[in-house]
Amino acid sequence: DVKVTQSSRYLVKRTGEKVFLECVQDMDHENMFWYRQDPGLGLRLIYFSYDVKMKEKGDIPEGYSVSREKKERFSLILESASTNQTSMYLCASSSFSSQGTSTDTQYFGPGTRLTVL
Amino acid sequence: QKEVEQDPGPLSVPEGAIVSLNCTYSNSAFQYFMWYRQYSRKGPELLMYTYSSGNKEDGRFTAQVDKSSKYISLFIRDSQPSDSATYLCAMSAGPGTYKYIFGTGTRLKVLA
Repeated sequence: DVKVTQSSRYLVKRTGEKVFLECVQDMDHENMFWYRQDPGLGLRLIYFSYDVKMKEKGDIPEGYSVSREKKERFSLILESASTNQTSMYLCASSSFSSQGTSTDTQYFGPGTRLTVL
Repeated sequence: QKEVEQDPGPLSVPEGAIVSLNCTYSNSAFQYFMWYRQYSRKGPELLMYTYSSGNKEDGRFTAQVDKSSKYISLFIRDSQPSDSATYLCAMSAGPGTYKYIFGTGTRLKVLA
């Protein structure tokens, strides 16, 4: 079974703090993703990475950065947390298809509920 | 207009009912269609994955894709209280793309 783990289930931080969210997958997947989920807005892609040290901006990258130093680990960084970043953060991973031409199904971690005060 | 539309519910049904959950979409390039189930305060888990049009069945769950109408459905037979969750549809254009587009989710409550 694919396992995606996230470092914290619940996190409370103060405005202006630097926040690190960690994600680890154990299936040797090439692709990893960070989403945020808000009521009425669904899942929105923040960043994704298709290889070590490679990253691509998603739909809402502003205020976030990412790091992928090892294949199994993908970190989301909030440089200076703000109250509008209070949300559920979800990490996902997937592999490329056997033909190497598309990404396979995305598997999600349990999520980190971040509250910024 | 959103690329993917999904009624947020909530949808309440009695135990044993057949449930129909639906999404419509506007992008004719979508070829891969997924349904995820998300329990409260948990991450989404993959339920069904279909390619192009047609039906796919897995136990009590049936996924249906009608590309001509840009409409997908998830049917749950003999619904159970444990099926109470939010159901998310997701779509992608397939080869050469990483991006999933998600619906906002439909909250389902199955009453015992």
